[in-house]
Amino acid sequence: DGGITQSPKYLFRKEGQNVTLSCEQNLNHDAMYWYRQDPGQGLRLIYYSQIVNDFQKGDIAEGYSVSREKKESFPLTVTSAQKNPTAFYLCASGQGDTEAFFGQGTRLTVV
Amino acid sequence: AQSVTQLDSQVPVFEEAPVELRCNYSSSVSVYLFWYVQYPNQGLQLLLKYLSGSTLVESINGFEAEFNKSQTSFHLRKPSVHISDTAEYFCAVSGDDYKLSFGAGTTVTVRA
Repeated sequence: DGGITQSPKYLFRKEGQNVTLSCEQNLNHDAMYWYRQDPGQGLRLIYYSQIVNDFQKGDIAEGYSVSREKKESFPLTVTSAQKNPTAFYLCASGQGDTEAFFGQGTRLTVV
Repeated sequence: AQSVTQLDSQVPVFEEAPVELRCNYSSSVSVYLFWYVQYPNQGLQLLLKYLSGSTLVESINGFEAEFNKSQTSFHLRKPSVHISDTAEYFCAVSGDDYKLSFGAGTTVTVRA
């Protein structure tokens, strides 16, 4: 089945810890994206990648890091530098000139 | 740089009434425009898109949107809503740089 897989669905993190969210796609898309969603603020772009081994900062990249070593994978690390990490995180992939396809999201909670 | 403004954060509407969700964008390059729908605790699903060609685009479940270049708008309409249309709707824009930007969303609540 083709699609975007995000894991885990729910994630709990202690303050001061780094945590990595997984995103895998088997759609052969060049572009991949990470968004953060908070109530009333829509989707804010964290990082995006147009091609393997290359990525660009989005609008709220501070406190996050990514890698794109394989076309199908775009993991997001939420570092301890992110002061307010509790949110719903969405990953997507696309071809740039067509629509993006979204995963089901990961809800991260800092405890 | 591109950005999207959704002019209404909440839209309450009665069942079988029409609804319009407003979206304006700014972009310095050629644009591709999208409307997505999100149900609670789920990812986003594409509702419809404008890539090129006809400025009026339609979805399979009765929504339509019109690309207006002069007004930089891409408003979403449905002539008669159902309870099942209750959801959050997002307008998005992308361009040749692959950056995909979203608006803040509009919550549609359909009441019987």
